[in-house]
Amino acid sequence: EAAVTQSPRSKVAVTGGKVTLSCHQTNNHDYMYWYRQDTGHGLRLIHYSYVADSTEKGDIPDGYKASRPSQENFSLILELASLSQTAVYFCASSWTGGAYAEQFFGPGTRLTVL
Amino acid sequence: AQKVTQTQTSISVMEKTTVTMDCVYETQDSSYFLFWYKQTASGEIVFLIRQDSYKKENATVGHYSLNFQKPKSSIGLIITATQIEDSAVYFCAMREGGASSSFSKLVFGQGTSLSVVP
Repeated sequence: EAAVTQSPRSKVAVTGGKVTLSCHQTNNHDYMYWYRQDTGHGLRLIHYSYVADSTEKGDIPDGYKASRPSQENFSLILELASLSQTAVYFCASSWTGGAYAEQFFGPGTRLTVL
Repeated sequence: AQKVTQTQTSISVMEKTTVTMDCVYETQDSSYFLFWYKQTASGEIVFLIRQDSYKKENATVGHYSLNFQKPKSSIGLIITATQIEDSAVYFCAMREGGASSSFSKLVFGQGTSLSVVP
């Protein structure tokens, strides 16, 4: 059973539309993360959360909001999708935010904004 | 600011040989952790191996090992007896801070694409 799942796995959105990407984890981890991967590049941190009802900004938060309604669920929201937000988005979790903790990734969501 | 750089964009090797992928990092912190992740063709990202900055011994897990050269800020990934299924993109990443740090973000390199051919 996959411990970190994402939905949808792919989505086509229109410019200016609202997009919500969902992530669910069964690891019982406190920390959850949203990353963005652009073709030929590594992952960049958008938002993260260490407790329900609280989110923190990562390195590239502009244009994105996050929501953590429960320990298991973490959403990424694009209120006004733009062409530049076309990318693959990964959710991840870890039991702690400490430097030694490995992160467990979901399968990714491929978002295309037209 | 911390930075991770992988200069090898792609590598092709013959099956059953040994390959080394390079990674250099920049940090002002005296304590940090270095990770290697594998991204398969399906997009799945899995953790492979970790090196703690305070440890002199190179980490080894299965047929993966690391070449940690702290004075050069370098952490190479070595895969021995490569198999076709090792074909993937490999990412080097770093988290600053000691073992008791409360939060530290994971910073990734650009990735190296490995092709293992028969």
